[in-house]
Amino acid sequence: KAGVTQTPRYLIKTRGQQVTLSCSPISGHRSVSWYQQTPGQGLQFLFEYFSETQRNKGNFPGRFSGRQFSNSRSEMNVSTLELGDSALYLCASSFRQTSYEQYFGPGTRLTVT
Amino acid sequence: KQEVTQIPAALSVPEGENLVLNCSFTDSAIYNLQWFRQDPGKGLTSLLLIQSSQREQTSGRLNASLDKSSGRSTLYIAASQPGDSATYLCAGANFGNEKLTFGTGTRLTIIP
Repeated sequence: KAGVTQTPRYLIKTRGQQVTLSCSPISGHRSVSWYQQTPGQGLQFLFEYFSETQRNKGNFPGRFSGRQFSNSRSEMNVSTLELGDSALYLCASSFRQTSYEQYFGPGTRLTVT
Repeated sequence: KQEVTQIPAALSVPEGENLVLNCSFTDSAIYNLQWFRQDPGKGLTSLLLIQSSQREQTSGRLNASLDKSSGRSTLYIAASQPGDSATYLCAGANFGNEKLTFGTGTRLTIIP
């Protein structure tokens, strides 16, 4: 059974640009969550999508947005990139309401210059 | 607001020793507690999930316990091996909420 996949794995962008990251959950999982990991702040929750609806949102500015498609794949978008957005972005999937165990992908390493 | 703490931040032990990693949380309404390992530059690997109705879970050389009344969880690793070297993270979630609140992790080094 394939795990959570994320594309691209590495990304270098310039300040002011925007970026879209993609996450494909484990087959059958309908919940996808996104996290940002930085050395200074650790792992912080961005948002969660379930059945194409955002169910929960962390404390991030509106420049961070996401969406989920009918096949449960999810994308997150960051507009007007800032140097502080450089981080490892991780997505996680779960069955939600059946098992709360979350499975993480390998992450997308975003570097903003 | 749930806050999760892991102490120590780093730990080095000789190969073969048994060890315990600690995780403390502030909100006893925590529904489940999940332990992960993270290798440098990699994603998170789920090790064990303890749900509200459970007090401990075991997988191979790993055993995790959850004491909601004291706000503590421990991860016990038996007969440590160099391959166990990684950062170990605990994370809690409240009922009906997929949001995980993570601790800052313990960086474990097993010395051959």
